[in-house]
Amino acid sequence: GDSVTQMEGPVTLSEEAFLTINCTYTATGYPSLFWYVQYPGEGLQLLLKATKADDKGSNKGFEATYRKETTSFHLEKGSVQVSDSAVYFCALSDPGDYGQNFVFGPGTRLSVLP
Amino acid sequence: DAGVTQSPTHLIKTRGQQVTLRCSPKSGHDTVSWYQQALGQGPQFIFQYYEEEERQRGNFPDRFSGHQFPNYSSELNVNALLLGDSALYLCASSLGQGSGNTIYFGEGSWLTVV
Repeated sequence: GDSVTQMEGPVTLSEEAFLTINCTYTATGYPSLFWYVQYPGEGLQLLLKATKADDKGSNKGFEATYRKETTSFHLEKGSVQVSDSAVYFCALSDPGDYGQNFVFGPGTRLSVLP
Repeated sequence: DAGVTQSPTHLIKTRGQQVTLRCSPKSGHDTVSWYQQALGQGPQFIFQYYEEEERQRGNFPDRFSGHQFPNYSSELNVNALLLGDSALYLCASSLGQGSGNTIYFGEGSWLTVV
């Protein structure tokens, strides 16, 4: 079945450092890819998405590019802030599964220190 | 514009009891999905409702059941609660069932089974 693998956390960075969180996937079809973020005590919020190969999703300084050849969707940010501290989830939605059966990775906890 | 709302936010139940969780989708959305998020893990898909019918189901036992009402709101019912059912239950909504559609999450209902 479909699956999503993320780099294990926690990841601890200093403010203004460069961030990369790796994400790779396995899917039977041609999925759409998403990054969701969960701040402490809150539900998940969409951060960005990409629906086809070579698409780049971006939001709030975060970027991720849909790489079909490497089945990857790595999240990057050039300069993190303390307010970016949260848990980040990579997810896919596979059109082979009719509807929105999202498959999530285990999450990567990011802590940004001032 | 109200987002996805869930109730209750927290509840404690005894093993063997039954629980009902409720969800109102984001305004204009007609599709509701439910996810279980155990502590420190990513959300796991339970099932999806569209046009008042269960359309897809994840790997969860029949103790987990649901319903969607004509106003698109939804309920998740869990019977014969087990200690392992303790988790954050997330409701997500979207417009339609396309795999590229973004799903929007509520803040969840924390269920503790003792």
